[in-house]
Amino acid sequence: QVQLVQSGAEVKKPGASVKVSCKASGYTFTSYGISWVRQAPGQGLEWMGWISAYNGNTNYAQKLQGRVTMTTDTSTSTAYMELRSLRSDDTAVYYCARKKWAATFDYWGQGTLVTVSS
Amino acid sequence: DIQMTQSPSSLSASVGDRVTITCQASQDISNYLNWYQQKPGKAPKLLIYDASNLETGVPSRFSGSGSGTDFTFTISSLQPEDIATYYCQQYDNLPQVTFGPGTKVDIK
Repeated sequence: QVQLVQSGAEVKKPGASVKVSCKASGYTFTSYGISWVRQAPGQGLEWMGWISAYNGNTNYAQKLQGRVTMTTDTSTSTAYMELRSLRSDDTAVYYCARKKWAATFDYWGQGTLVTVSS
Repeated sequence: DIQMTQSPSSLSASVGDRVTITCQASQDISNYLNWYQQKPGKAPKLLIYDASNLETGVPSRFSGSGSGTDFTFTISSLQPEDIATYYCQQYDNLPQVTFGPGTKVDIK
């Protein structure tokens, strides 16, 4: 069965970077894209961007351009999301999701809580 | 940017009730709209794609309709396990994607 398993919770100081992993199993990794979506405490869902696992092409949300990088390692079927220059308002649960087509996300990871605090 | 609104922001209904949520886009998005369910502490789950198509394995009491700027999500008979927040999501202006603010559904 399709599974996306994310890395564990992180606590970071303002200005630091965080890298979250998302290990896929149960399907051909390079046949689908991976998107990242975050959710601040008590708030709604915010799309961050996605990466093609086939060719590594990326698209990022405009507000995160320059601070976010998404990569994949096809040898381990793992996607990564790195966010730099962290601020307190980056505190959120970060989800990876498989991109079924266009922008339809059919399987999701369990989420990774990133807390930014001094 | 395309903005999405949802109404109501929250609702309480009894088991067995018909529940309807609306989602409105700030411009025509054709049928490029999905609906997700998120239970507390859990990841979102895809329920409806392309405005009206039921995702495999999703109970038939869930349905979606609409096109253009106005969309509707319906639970035909509310069940206790449907307590969740429901989000619409547009993908008309790829690669940018926007979620609605969500509608929280509770049992009365």
